[in-house]
Amino acid sequence: SQKIEQNSEALNIQEGKTATLTCNYTNYSPAYLQWYRQDPGRGPVFLLLIRENEKEKRKERLKVTFDTTLKQSLFHITASQPADSATYLCAPSNFGNEKLTFGTGTRLTIIP
Amino acid sequence: DAGVIQSPRHEVTEMGQEVTLRCKPISGHNSLFWYRQTMMRGLELLIYFNNNVPIDDSGMPEDRFSAKMPNASFSTLKIQPSEPRDSAVYFCASRSGEGDYEQYFGPGTRLTVT
Repeated sequence: SQKIEQNSEALNIQEGKTATLTCNYTNYSPAYLQWYRQDPGRGPVFLLLIRENEKEKRKERLKVTFDTTLKQSLFHITASQPADSATYLCAPSNFGNEKLTFGTGTRLTIIP
Repeated sequence: DAGVIQSPRHEVTEMGQEVTLRCKPISGHNSLFWYRQTMMRGLELLIYFNNNVPIDDSGMPEDRFSAKMPNASFSTLKIQPSEPRDSAVYFCASRSGEGDYEQYFGPGTRLTVT
């Protein structure tokens, strides 16, 4: 069965440093992968989508990579700020299939 | 746009009671999703609709759960009878359609079954 794992449940990073979150999947060949941010008591909010033919995608301080050989996506936040503290979820999927299967999430804390 | 609207935001009920959760998707969106989130199992898809038609309900845990979408602007998720293990946060999300894969989530309903 499909399995999606995100690195360590919690990650603490010093403000100003780059935070790197990992999403690994098995028994799956997604055509694209989405990343969402979830704050406590709120629903997830979409951040970025990367397609299998895109090695890297950027949005402001965010960068996502997608390695279909390693079956892994990396999510980077550069120049991290305390406001970046949240849980980040990855969700691989395929075109023509609207279902999203979410990873376990990584709770990121940026320490001032 | 008000975004996805869910009600109630919090629900506390006793075991055995019927619970109805409500969702209003973003106007113009043609796909609607119901998720459940717990600490143990994370965010799980229960069912989704496309153009008001249920497409995949394989995530619905058992017959006690049912969902309807009578029109494009309203959906319900019903649990009857409720059990303590149903306690979770239930999210509704909507998506606009082809070419836009982003899902927009509502604020969620926190359900506590005692």
